[in-house]
Amino acid sequence: EPEVTQTPSHQVTQMGQEVILRCVPISNHLYFYWYRQILGQKVEFLVSFYNNEISEKSEIFDDQFSVERPDGSNFTLKIRSTKLEDSAMYFCASSDRAGRGETQYFGPGTRLLVL
Amino acid sequence: AQSVTQPDIHITVSEGASLELRCNYSYGATPYLFWYVQSPGQGLQLLLKYFSGDTLVQGIKGFEAEFKRSQSSFNLRKPSVHWSDAAEYFCAVGSTGANNLFFGTGTRLTVIP
Repeated sequence: EPEVTQTPSHQVTQMGQEVILRCVPISNHLYFYWYRQILGQKVEFLVSFYNNEISEKSEIFDDQFSVERPDGSNFTLKIRSTKLEDSAMYFCASSDRAGRGETQYFGPGTRLLVL
Repeated sequence: AQSVTQPDIHITVSEGASLELRCNYSYGATPYLFWYVQSPGQGLQLLLKYFSGDTLVQGIKGFEAEFKRSQSSFNLRKPSVHWSDAAEYFCAVGSTGANNLFFGTGTRLTVIP
């Protein structure tokens, strides 16, 4: 069964460093998402991406964040200058259609720890 | 604004016992509701979803959920829990005019022999 994959599974970085989290969505999907979950808190939406553009973003997704689809298979989330509060589990998701009722398929997550 | 509340942070049940995980939502129109499960080291897997029609929804792994508009609830149930059901369960609602999901804080299920 096709699945979303994410690398790395864990990342430790120093405050102020740049990190890139990678995702390979399901191959025929066109819509891509990033969510994050700070330990003990809710899973929160960050951004959605379609047709090489951001289609929605939350207030969390500020100028320190960017997303890119550098090739036909990868979807990346970059944090330019990490802060302690960026420590969280980051989930990538994809769907083949858009809309409130469409199923988003999630990857296993990348746990980011900022020291 | 949309929101989801899962009142139970942690639930422990015996294997073979029945299970009900609670989810309450806040949404102005007909909601699109989802239950996801996350096993250790795994991604969020969709168990079931509701967007219209029959208010009792059947999902994978023997789970079902019932949408009750009057109570703003979408509780997840399973008649007989298996040890492999131990995981974190998330309820979510689809947002207005966009594709993103609003999640609850999750309920961790422990199954004891």
